Amino acid sequence: GAVVSQHPSRVICKSGTSVKIECRSLDFQATTMFWYRQFPKQSLMLMATSNEGSKATYEQGVEKDKFLINHASLTLSTLTVTSAHPEDSSFYICSARGDRGGDYGYTFGSGTRLTVV
Amino acid sequence: AQSVSQHNHHVILSEAASLELGCNYSYGGTVNLFWYVQYPGQHLQLLLKYFSGDPLVKGIKGFEAEFIKSKFSFNLRKPSVQWSDTAEYFCAVNAKAAGNKLTFGGGTRVLVKP
Repeated sequence: GAVVSQHPSRVICKSGTSVKIECRSLDFQATTMFWYRQFPKQSLMLMATSNEGSKATYEQGVEKDKFLINHASLTLSTLTVTSAHPEDSSFYICSARGDRGGDYGYTFGSGTRLTVV
Repeated sequence: AQSVSQHNHHVILSEAASLELGCNYSYGGTVNLFWYVQYPGQHLQLLLKYFSGDPLVKGIKGFEAEFIKSKFSFNLRKPSVQWSDTAEYFCAVNAKAAGNKLTFGGGTRVLVKP
C-alpha cells in the first residue's frame, strides 16, 4: 500500500531557530500534499495544501512567512517553521494524495512532535 | 465551508460491547467520507471510506459505517469491541467542491475496558 515517510519524528529546538520537516511519498507520486497541526487532545487542523511545482495554499490564520512549504517534486514536500517560538510547539502531520485511478486516497505520515524551548 | 462534527468526545465501554460513533457533516453536495483511527503513539490509519455505491461500507478490523445522505451522517459501528480498539477515531469529509481538502471532525476518544 501507499506509504508516506515523515522526518524527523521528534525535534527540540531553541526559540528563534528554524526547523525543517520532510514528508516523502515512498511508492507513489503525490500530486498534492497537505500539512496539518494537531494540538493535544484535539483534531487535525489543516494548515496548507501544496501542489507539486506551485505555491502552497494556506488556510485562513496560518502565517505563510512563518510556515514555509516547498513541494519541489512529486515525492517530497517540506515544512519549515521559521523563527520558532514556544507557541509553535505542536504535532505536525503531513498527508499525501496521489491519483491512483478512482481512489482518492489520503495517506498520512507518522507526524513530527516539535518542542520549542 | 464544509464542517464535520462528532457528537461524542469520549466513550468508555467494556469488551464485547457494541460501539457506534456519530459523525455529521454540513456540506450538501457530493462528498467522499472517511473514518480514521489513531492508536496511542501512532499515526492515522484509514478504517474505511465511502465514495459512491452501497451506503453500507465495511472496513478493516470489523468496522463498518453507513452513509445516510438525508441525515448528512456517516456513523461508525462495530458489533463487539476489543481492548485493542482503544484509540481515537476521526471522521473526515472531502467535499468535491472543496477540491482536495479533507476536513476532520473533533475526534472521539474510545476506551475499552478489559
